[in-house]
Amino acid sequence: EPEVTQTPSHQVTQMGQEVILRCVPISNHLYFYWYRQILGQKVEFLVSFYNNEISEKSEIFDDQFSVERPDGSNFTLKIRSTKLEDSAMYFCASSADSGGTQYFGPGTRLLVL
Amino acid sequence: AQSVTQPDIHITVSEGASLELRCNYSYGATPYLFWYVQSPGQGLQLLLKYFSGDTLVQGIKGFEAEFKRSQSSFNLRKPSVHWSDAAEYFCAVGASGGGSNYKLTFGKGTLLTVNP
Repeated sequence: EPEVTQTPSHQVTQMGQEVILRCVPISNHLYFYWYRQILGQKVEFLVSFYNNEISEKSEIFDDQFSVERPDGSNFTLKIRSTKLEDSAMYFCASSADSGGTQYFGPGTRLLVL
Repeated sequence: AQSVTQPDIHITVSEGASLELRCNYSYGATPYLFWYVQSPGQGLQLLLKYFSGDTLVQGIKGFEAEFKRSQSSFNLRKPSVHWSDAAEYFCAVGASGGGSNYKLTFGKGTLLTVNP
């Protein structure tokens, strides 16, 4: 069964450093998403992406965040200058249709020191 | 804006007992509703979804959920819980913010503990 994959599974970084989280969505999906889950809290929407542009972003997704689909398979989330409060589990998701079921990857646990 | 409430933070049941996890949503139109399960250290796995039609939906692992518009609820049920069902369960509502994508708004989750 096709699945969403994410790399790395864990990342530790120093405050102020740039990180890039990578995702490979399901191959025939067209809609892509990033969510995050701070430890002990609920999963929060960050951004949605379709047709090579951002469709919607949350208040969390400020100028320090960016997303890109650099080729036909990868979907990345970049945090330009990490803060302590960026420590969280980051989930990538994809769907075939607008409003369709979103399938989630296993997540990348980011720890900012 | 849409919201999801899961009133129970933690539920403990005995193996073989029945289970009901509550979910209430707030959304102005007909919602898309989902239940996801997250085992420790794992990602989110879809259990079931409601888009339209029959208000009782069947999912994987023997779970079902019933959409009740009058109560704005989408409660998850299982007639007989197995020890492997111990996990955190998230209810979510899908809604468009005006763009092409539907974003999911999640509840805070219900942690299920299963006693032998």
